[in-house]
Amino acid sequence: GDSVTQMEGPVTLSEEAFLTINCTYTATGYPSLFWYVQYPGEGLQLLLKATKADDKGSNKGFEATYRKETTSFHLEKGSVQVSDSAVYFCALSRQDDMRFGAGTRLTVKP
Amino acid sequence: DTAVSQTPKYLVTQMGNDKSIKCEQNLGHDTMYWYKQDSKKFLKIMFSYNNKELIINETVPNRFSPKSPDKAHLNLHINSLELGDSAVYFCASGLGVRHTEAFFGQGTRLTVV
Repeated sequence: GDSVTQMEGPVTLSEEAFLTINCTYTATGYPSLFWYVQYPGEGLQLLLKATKADDKGSNKGFEATYRKETTSFHLEKGSVQVSDSAVYFCALSRQDDMRFGAGTRLTVKP
Repeated sequence: DTAVSQTPKYLVTQMGNDKSIKCEQNLGHDTMYWYKQDSKKFLKIMFSYNNKELIINETVPNRFSPKSPDKAHLNLHINSLELGDSAVYFCASGLGVRHTEAFFGQGTRLTVV
């Protein structure tokens, strides 16, 4: 079945460092891909998405590109802030079915 | 206006009890989901409903019974609670179309003692 694999955390960075969180997927056909963020004590919020190969999703300085040839959707940010500390989830979606990776906890230190 | 609302936010109960978690969405979505998040933050889909019809039942024990009285509500009833049921349960809704996102509730932290 469809699945998502994320790099294991936790990830700890200093403010203004470069961030990469790896995500690969296994799916038949052409799912849509998403990154969600979960701040402490809250539900998941959509961060960005891409619906077809070579699409780039971006939001709040975060970017991810849908790479069909490598079945990947890595999350990047050029300069992280303390406020980016959260758990990040990669997800794929088909009709009525959305699957998540295990989540990667990011801590950014001043 | 809360888009996806769950109640209660916290639930502490003893083993063997029966409890329900309610979920309502006011987004007009056809699809609703229940997810379980364990202590390591792993998020696992439990159920998916489209317009009150069960679409996905992901190897969940039959002690868990979702109920969808209408497409805006998807309640989760749990019988004979066990310690391993302790987790955060999230309700979500979406259009159920491949390229659209799901909207999540705030979660219900269930603690079984």
